[in-house]
Amino acid sequence: DAGVIQSPRHEVTEMGQEVTLRCKPISGHDYLFWYRQTMMRGLELLIYFNNNVPIDDSGMPEDRFSAKMPNASFSTLKIQPSEPRDSAVYFCASSLSPERSEQYFGPGTRLTVT
Amino acid sequence: GQQVMQIPQYQHVQEGEDFTTYCNSSTTLSNIQWYKQRPGGHPVFLIQLVKSGEVKKQKRLTFQFGEAKKNSSLHITATQTTDVGTYFCAGGDYKLSFGAGTTVTVRA
Repeated sequence: DAGVIQSPRHEVTEMGQEVTLRCKPISGHDYLFWYRQTMMRGLELLIYFNNNVPIDDSGMPEDRFSAKMPNASFSTLKIQPSEPRDSAVYFCASSLSPERSEQYFGPGTRLTVT
Repeated sequence: GQQVMQIPQYQHVQEGEDFTTYCNSSTTLSNIQWYKQRPGGHPVFLIQLVKSGEVKKQKRLTFQFGEAKKNSSLHITATQTTDVGTYFCAGGDYKLSFGAGTTVTVRA
């Protein structure tokens, strides 16, 4: 099993640019989660999907952030326009079901906005 | 919403010593999960506890779920350099609420 795949692993961009982060969950997992991790705020849940449908996006910081899951094997997190305070590590995770709720994290994307 | 608090935030341990990290919730949890994140890595699932008073062991790690299902602990015996990292507890069903983590460093 390849595990959760994220790309890119590192992204450096200038303020105002659009950033798109990508995630491929583990095959067969019904739930997909996007997290942001910073030293100051720790691990924050941004949004999660169940069977490709967004269920809870209350953690999305503001309208500059959007996430989609067009099919069971692909999700994107987009930031437009990006700001320096968006600099963080963004993790994607997936889990099988409510009964098997342990989450498998991808390697993360380290985003730096200058 | 559900909040999970962890203490201590940092734990500096002499190699070979034991230590415990604690996790407390403001509400009753259906289950508690523990994750470990190595420096520069991603969180990795360690274990899940579901039953009141449940105790599970993984080699030198002992996990406990409180009787009221509002707290949990992770005890590591004979700490090794491989135990370095941040340990997170997380509560909830499929939507987990993560604690801030306990970052462990080991003095050889």
